[in-house]
Amino acid sequence: DIQVTQSPSSLSASVGDRVTISCRTSPAVASYLSWYQQRPGGPPKLLIYGATSLQRGVPSTFSGSGFATEFTLTIDSLQPEDFATYYCQQTSSTPWTFGQGTKVEMK
Amino acid sequence: EVQLLESGGGLVQPGGSLRLSCAASGFTSVSYWMNWVRQAPGKGLEWVANINQDGSQKDYVDSVKGRFAISRDNAKNSVYLQMNSLRVEDTALYYCARLDSVAGTRWYSDLWGRGTLVTVSS
Repeated sequence: DIQVTQSPSSLSASVGDRVTISCRTSPAVASYLSWYQQRPGGPPKLLIYGATSLQRGVPSTFSGSGFATEFTLTIDSLQPEDFATYYCQQTSSTPWTFGQGTKVEMK
Repeated sequence: EVQLLESGGGLVQPGGSLRLSCAASGFTSVSYWMNWVRQAPGKGLEWVANINQDGSQKDYVDSVKGRFAISRDNAKNSVYLQMNSLRVEDTALYYCARLDSVAGTRWYSDLWGRGTLVTVSS
């Protein structure tokens, strides 16, 4: 199975901060990686697909970068509604695997 | 409104069975691959199974192979997850999600239901 490792597992930030979350895969997954946001009590919401493509309707403060084994989700100017848990998922080969999640908390 | 609605969860004893349903509305599910993803209480997300548009292709995470079966009824715009020989570790919120892709390869779940809770306990 492809291993997906997210870091950090949690972080504290303030409104207006720039936040970066990393996702590493082993082995490489090309650009077969997506990012999801999950607010407490709610289902996941797609943010980024194909490693870098922004899902329609998602604010442009979110961006994705990376290829092969190293990926990053960046949130520019964190908003109150962005405090949530974020997951990456590889779909290069089944079983499709998720990272363990990164909880973004208010400082 | 475009949405997915799961149902069929509940409390079941170890070794028991449940059938989850996922009803699509606002779009024609026959055009899409579909998948199930679960989340144990307080834990992360785990992909469970997927199915192609006509039901001829299916895949599962190893931990459910031989016990769970994904299926669909396109006339009813619905997808199902038959779960047999349930174990305590299958306890989770089960989400149904629509799959889309870039050029039929870079898959992602672009629409999620709110989930249905399965509790396996004696």
